[in-house]
Amino acid sequence: DAGVIQSPRHEVTEMGQEVTLRCKPISGHDYLFWYRQTMMRGLELLIYFNNNVPIDDSGMPEDRFSAKMPNASFSTLKIQPSEPRDSAVYFCASSLSSGNTIYFGEGSWLTVV
Amino acid sequence: GQQVMQIPQYQHVQEGEDFTTYCNSSTTLSNIQWYKQRPGGHPVFLIQLVKSGEVKKQKRLTFQFGEAKKNSSLHITATQTTDVGTYFCAGPTSGTYKYIFGTGTRLKVLA
Repeated sequence: DAGVIQSPRHEVTEMGQEVTLRCKPISGHDYLFWYRQTMMRGLELLIYFNNNVPIDDSGMPEDRFSAKMPNASFSTLKIQPSEPRDSAVYFCASSLSSGNTIYFGEGSWLTVV
Repeated sequence: GQQVMQIPQYQHVQEGEDFTTYCNSSTTLSNIQWYKQRPGGHPVFLIQLVKSGEVKKQKRLTFQFGEAKKNSSLHITATQTTDVGTYFCAGPTSGTYKYIFGTGTRLKVLA
């Protein structure tokens, strides 16, 4: 079975540009999570969805960040405008509510210069 | 808000030595999960503990959930170079499905 699929795997962009990260969760999973990982702050939960509905976005750092889940098989995390401090690895993950195991994608490595 | 701390932050061991990482939550947890992240990789689920005082083993790895369900530990016996990586614990915020990850312990095994 395919795991959680993220794109792009690596992105280098200039400050001020819009960045869109994409995620396809594991088929049948009803929870989707976006995490951000940095050396300084560790693994932070940004937002999570249940059945395509955002449940908790308290981890989204500021209004420059937005996330959508238009259907059960696709989600995006958008940063506009991007700043150098947004440089991090962004992980998408999904889970079955009954199983609890969280399956992570391979991550999107973002560098903002 | 809920905080999950792990100690130590880093650990270097000689191959064959034992290793333990400790996880402490500021709140009682309904369950706790452990993940391993290899360098350059993504977190991979290892195990979940649910019951107070529960102990589970996976080959050389022993996981324990504290009696008060606020702390947990992972012990590796006779480390191998394949054990290299960062080990995270994670617990849900009470009444939600919001899993908060610990600060992680980075293990380096010297051959």
